[in-house]
Parts: sequence; structure tokens; C-alpha cells
Amino acid sequence: DTGVSQDPRHKITKRGQNVTFRCDPISEHNRLYWYRQTLGQGPEFLTYFQNEAQLEKSRLLSDRFSAERPKGSFSTLEIQRTEQGDSAMYLCASSLAGRETQYFGPGTRLLVL
Amino acid sequence: GENVEQHPSTLSVQEGDSAVIKCTYSDSASNYFPWYKQELGKRPQLIIDIRSNVGEKKDQRIAVTLNKTAKHFSLHITETQPEDSAVYFCAASNNQGGKLIFGQGTELSVKP
Repeated sequence: DTGVSQDPRHKITKRGQNVTFRCDPISEHNRLYWYRQTLGQGPEFLTYFQNEAQLEKSRLLSDRFSAERPKGSFSTLEIQRTEQGDSAMYLCASSLAGRETQYFGPGTRLLVL
Repeated sequence: GENVEQHPSTLSVQEGDSAVIKCTYSDSASNYFPWYKQELGKRPQLIIDIRSNVGEKKDQRIAVTLNKTAKHFSLHITETQPEDSAVYFCAASNNQGGKLIFGQGTELSVKP
């Protein structure tokens, strides 16, 4: 499968726990984006990488959220001390620098109890 | 700040009719405008996009128009079919990194 993949697809956790999600972009894509989508809303930008460099982070993003892309390939998004308001679909997308088209993964649905 | 407004939030049409969804954007530096279709529980799928140097683009039953002066763009679907039923999102970005700012979505229902 040459599309964007994400793991896990679903995660249920208790408030206060830490969670980590993984995204594998399309293999030749050097840009990787994280978005969050809540029910009935459009995806909201969180952060993006070009290769291993994190170039932008949303000002709305709590410092409980951290993302990495250590080798410029897959990326991880960690949420520390989860809160019920973190419940959402976390989407990853990738693109080639210089090409605007972003291809989305299937998402990780997080439920914080 | 950057903002994209999308209307209507829901749209119901009869099969064979046309559907139009409209978006406005606030960032005058925006130069790329994609439209995504999202079926329930699935990933957003790009259906058409337009760049700021073009006023209109068509792909079979789908077309997008862009008015840069007024900062709005629209999606037109002709001869709608039940399989067109989904949530449609508009988005805008500029060359500064390419992050997408999405509208709130339009739930399109095509009744057979």
C-alpha cells in the first residue's frame, strides 16, 4: 500500500494517561502534516515537518502535545496527560515540497474517558 | 487571522440536480484552494483543486470557480448521484509551508 498509513486506528485511554500515534507518509513525500478533526468540523492544523525539521506549530496547540520526525520518514504525535477535550480524530497528511496536494491517512480516533 | 467560512452546512438535492457550495477566505496571500470529500469514518479525499492564477477548473461533473478579488471560491457538482452524498470541505493555503485552513464542511445528501 503506497498511501499514508496511521497506527493505531483507534485508541481509548483514561484521562491523565499519555498516548502516542504514528504516521507513515507516502515514501517520497518530504512534508508531513498533523491535523485534528472533531465531530462536525473541518480538520484543524496542528504542526508540520519538512524532512526532519518541524517548521510550524499551531499557536493553539497545548504544550502537552509534541511531535517528532527523527529520520525524516515516519512521525509520532504524543499527547501527555490527556484530557477529555483531546478526544478527536487525529489525521496525518503528506506532500512533496513544492507541490500543494496533501494526501491524508485514515486517522487515529482518540477517546479520552 | 486565517479563516475559511463555508456555506451551507447542509445541502439536500434530488438526484440529477446541481449542488453548489461556497467558501470565503480571509488571507489575501492564499493561492491554493483544494476541495476534499469525506465519507463517514473515512479519510478526506481530494476531488479537485484550483490555483490563484486560474479562475475556473472543471473535471467531468465537478467544477470550481475562484474570485480572488472577492476572496471566494465555489464547488459546483452537476447531475448529482446518490454516491455524491458525503461531507465536502473547502480549504485554502499559501506558499508559506502549505498548511491547509479548512472550512466547517457541508453535508451533501443526494436523494434518489
